[in-house]
Amino acid sequence: DGGITQSPKYLFRKEGQNVTLSCEQNLNHDAMYWYRQDPGQGLRLIYYSQIVNDFQKGDIAEGYSVSREKKESFPLTVTSAQKNPTAFYLCASSIQGGITEAFFGQGTRLTVV
Amino acid sequence: GESVGLHLPTLSVQEGDNSIINCAYSNSASDYFIWYKQESGKGPQFIIDIRSNMDKRQGQRVTVLLNKTVKHLSLQIAATQPGDSAVYFCAENVNTDKLIFGTGTRLQVFP
Repeated sequence: DGGITQSPKYLFRKEGQNVTLSCEQNLNHDAMYWYRQDPGQGLRLIYYSQIVNDFQKGDIAEGYSVSREKKESFPLTVTSAQKNPTAFYLCASSIQGGITEAFFGQGTRLTVV
Repeated sequence: GESVGLHLPTLSVQEGDNSIINCAYSNSASDYFIWYKQESGKGPQFIIDIRSNMDKRQGQRVTVLLNKTVKHLSLQIAATQPGDSAVYFCAENVNTDKLIFGTGTRLQVFP
């Protein structure tokens, strides 16, 4: 089945540790995105990538890093510099950036203790 | 700055009634809009989209209306059902390379 997969679904980390969230898609989509969602809030764009080996900062990139070494993978690292990392993280992909429907994964809920 | 927002954070409707969820956008250059539905603890699901060369588009029980003059988007759900209870987001294409999401509206359906 084609789709976009995020893992793990729940993640717990100690404060000060870096953590990497996985996002894989087998839809052959060029564009991939990371969003952050806080309780009762909308989605805020962290990073996005239009093509392999290229990515751009979104609205809240500070404290996060990404890589796009393969078309199907777009991992997000939450670094210790992120002041409030506890949130629900959503990955999405689309055929073309912004002008076509984006398909979402089921999210990773990160809790930092 | 650029923003996509919603007028009503929570909308309560009776089962069987029609629902209307509104969205205002500020970027007059945006040319593509999507409505998503998000159930608790899950990722958003595509409902319907519309391009700026249209002012109305219909799907199954849903209709999206686009008014470019006042930069307003709405989602109409006919005969609302309990399964429609969720948070609804509009998203706007910005500079052709990313989607920016609004705050969201929670739709509550009561019997």
